[in-house]
Amino acid sequence: DTGVSQNPRHKITKRGQNVTFRCDPISEHNRLYWYRQTLGQGPEFLTYFQNEAQLEKSRLLSDRFSAERPKGSFSTLEIQRTEQGDSAMYLCASSPRSGPSDTQYFGPGTRLTVL
Amino acid sequence: AQKVTQAQTEISVVEKEDVTLDCVYETRDTTYYLFWYKQPPSGELVFLIRRNSFDEQNEISGRYSWNFQKSTSSFNFTITASQVVDSAVYFCALNSGGYQKVTFGTGTKLQVIP
Repeated sequence: DTGVSQNPRHKITKRGQNVTFRCDPISEHNRLYWYRQTLGQGPEFLTYFQNEAQLEKSRLLSDRFSAERPKGSFSTLEIQRTEQGDSAMYLCASSPRSGPSDTQYFGPGTRLTVL
Repeated sequence: AQKVTQAQTEISVVEKEDVTLDCVYETRDTTYYLFWYKQPPSGELVFLIRRNSFDEQNEISGRYSWNFQKSTSSFNFTITASQVVDSAVYFCALNSGGYQKVTFGTGTKLQVIP
């Protein structure tokens, strides 16, 4: 059983550029989450999908951020017009649909550096 | 609103010592779930345990044990006979209110010195 995978693992970009990250959840999991983690902090929730529907969004998810999960499998997180404050680790997690609060299993993350 | 406090920022112990990581949570909901995750230097969060608010029974898994006390809103984690491989950042987390969002504490960095 493969875990959650994320690509790329590292991304360096210049301020103002757009970036896109991909997350592939565990195959039988229909819930998918995005979190952001900055240095010395715990992960902060960004958004959540159940199948292809985006059901929760944090106020941290500004209008420069957009997430999709078009076929209910993999998901992409796009950041437009990146800013230095966007530098962080972006974590994806997935969970099965088996209860009101399932354990979320995390991928290795994509570390974004905005120069 | 939900909040998790991990007051210990960093802890250093010598190998084979026992160590307890503290976690205090806040929620107004009667149904909630608590978690511990380990984040080694590689960066990937590794799930350790999940407890629901109706189950206060303490749990032991090998060298790991967890003490859940609703009276003090605490969910502490003890590592017995610590090993160098236990060196990592440990996060306590909370989910409540029927939402899928999990709120994490700021983490405790554990360094086990050989």
